[in-house]
Amino acid sequence: DAGVIQSPRHEVTEMGQEVTLRCKPISGHNSLFWYRQTMMRGLELLIYFNNNVPIDDSGMPEDRFSAKMPNASFSTLKIQPSEPRDSAVYFCASSLTGGADTQYFGPGTRLTVL
Amino acid sequence: SQQGEEDPQALSIQEGENATMNCSYKTSINNLQWYRQNSGRGLVHLILIRSNEREKHSGRLRVTLDTSKKSSSLLITASRAADTASYFCATEGGSYIPTFGRGTSLIVHP
Repeated sequence: DAGVIQSPRHEVTEMGQEVTLRCKPISGHNSLFWYRQTMMRGLELLIYFNNNVPIDDSGMPEDRFSAKMPNASFSTLKIQPSEPRDSAVYFCASSLTGGADTQYFGPGTRLTVL
Repeated sequence: SQQGEEDPQALSIQEGENATMNCSYKTSINNLQWYRQNSGRGLVHLILIRSNEREKHSGRLRVTLDTSKKSSSLLITASRAADTASYFCATEGGSYIPTFGRGTSLIVHP
């Protein structure tokens, strides 16, 4: 298995632009997580899907952030409009059955908003 | 908050020495996991210890859990330069959502 796949690996955009991050979880995993990592705040859980349904999105910073999981093999995290404070590394992780299971992380997307 | 907090924030040792990192948390947990993150990479799972377990081993890793003190420790024996990474604990207390600490940055000098 290729593991969790994220794209793009790096994204540089200007303030106000829309950004879409993509994730393909490990085949057969039922849970998917989006995290944001910064030096200041560490690793923050943004949203958790189970069986393609958002279970907990309390970590989504504000309405500018949205996430979807249209099927078991694909998820997107969208920021519109983007702001410089959104600059961070965004990780997607998947697990077999839920949050208590081992999570497998993707390589991350490094987002820079100018 | 359920969040675990690692201590120390940074640790610098020589190759061959043992490295010990600690994690403290505030409320009861079902399990605690340790992850490792190499620079520029995603986190990699190392070991999971359940609340009814006190110690687990995996290769050169030894994890202990003291639920009465709400703390866990990760010991890496005979460290190698390749062990240089950040180490995170993640606690899960019934919400099925693990909460990560801010990590310990370990540097092992060859």
